[in-house]
Amino acid sequence: EVQLQQSGPELRRPGSSVKLSCKASGYSITDYLMHWVKHRPEHGLEWIGWIDPEDGETKYAQKFQSKATLTADTSSNTAYMQLSSLTSEDTATYFCARNGGYPYYVMDAWGQGASVTVSS
Amino acid sequence: DVQMTQSPSYLAASPGESVSISCKASNSINSYLAWYQEKPGKTNKLLIYSGSTLQSGIPSRFSGSGSGTDFTLTIRSLEPEDFAVYYCQQHNEYPFTFGSGTKLEIK
Repeated sequence: EVQLQQSGPELRRPGSSVKLSCKASGYSITDYLMHWVKHRPEHGLEWIGWIDPEDGETKYAQKFQSKATLTADTSSNTAYMQLSSLTSEDTATYFCARNGGYPYYVMDAWGQGASVTVSS
Repeated sequence: DVQMTQSPSYLAASPGESVSISCKASNSINSYLAWYQEKPGKTNKLLIYSGSTLQSGIPSRFSGSGSGTDFTLTIRSLEPEDFAVYYCQQHNEYPFTFGSGTKLEIK
């Protein structure tokens, strides 16, 4: 069974950074792209970007280009997203999601979400 | 960016009924539209992609239609487990964008 287990809730000060993890089980992360998605109730779902864990290639939405950094550790079958220079606008739930339908960019397995709260 | 307008944002129906949810794109996305289901305590589920292709394991009471800018998710004979929030997502071009969601509740 494919599962994506995300790290726990985070509380950070403005200006700091946070690194979220997404550990895959039931498949090898090198076989699929991994997406990251931001969810704020008042703003809906926003696609951040994807990483190809096999070679580290990344693609970001322009608005997250300088905010998010996607990486992956194939030895632990885990994907990561680092968010930098945090502001209140980064308070959200973040999801990792496997790209399932190559060549289609759709998300066929999701993590449970990781809450990030940015507050002084 | 392609704007996705989903309607209605709220829908009440009874088990056994059929419902439709609309998703309109601000410009043509060909047939590259996906639908997801969100339920409390569960991870999001991919229902349909490329407009009408049913994801493996999804019941046939779910169907998708449309192309260009107008798309519809139809759920026939609602089951109790279908009451959830539904999102559309265009997968035609970067950045991928989502609709604002439709909450389907039991009447």
